[in-house]
Amino acid sequence: QQPVQSPQAVILREGEDAVINCSSSKALYSVHWYRQKHGEAPVFLMILLKGGEQKGHDKISASFNEKKQQSSLYLTASQLSYSGTYFCGTERGGNFGNEKLTFGTGTRLTIIP
Amino acid sequence: KAGVTQTPRYLIKTRGQQVTLSCSPISGHRSVSWYQQTPGQGLQFLFEYFSETQRNKGNFPGRFSGRQFSNSRSEMNVSTLELGDSALYLCASSLGSGTNNEQFFGPGTRLTVL
Repeated sequence: QQPVQSPQAVILREGEDAVINCSSSKALYSVHWYRQKHGEAPVFLMILLKGGEQKGHDKISASFNEKKQQSSLYLTASQLSYSGTYFCGTERGGNFGNEKLTFGTGTRLTIIP
Repeated sequence: KAGVTQTPRYLIKTRGQQVTLSCSPISGHRSVSWYQQTPGQGLQFLFEYFSETQRNKGNFPGRFSGRQFSNSRSEMNVSTLELGDSALYLCASSLGSGTNNEQFFGPGTRLTVL
């Protein structure tokens, strides 16, 4: 089952914050976040494993709530370079890291000066 | 360290033909996964190879196949092409198998089926 991302698209001014959500109807083992700029390959941002951990680097962080089967990506004080499409990839629970990744349909983030 | 490379970058084929795409992973990476990306369906998993063995397979017809060589390079083959196979095909490499490994994506092969 493909995870559902929300919102589908968002436009922000530089310096504003954004939250992108990723929800699954199945129990999750891990959530991956990637960013893809137009015409380029997806670039890895972070992996969150079940356990409710939160990760982050620079001004991008994420949380994973395994009970709610959802993850959120937080972008604070957004920069022009943050523009792109953000994908979450989820792995279902039960097989301890040997399942395939199922990606959401993406959230298009546009940062304007 | 060189990144993931994919060849060719662009390909135009006609219905009924077959095509082979190639992926060279990052040196030292033993896992290669293939994805199909389309505007309507997004990123969809095709299959994963690790140490020349297929570890996982997505929900694609048997026309889609792949293999991995002893040097970890991987090829993907699509036979009897259909218009709906037009897509960007991405491969991603990782150190190990399993999705708790960071995946590094290549630039993709843009396949157009006429």
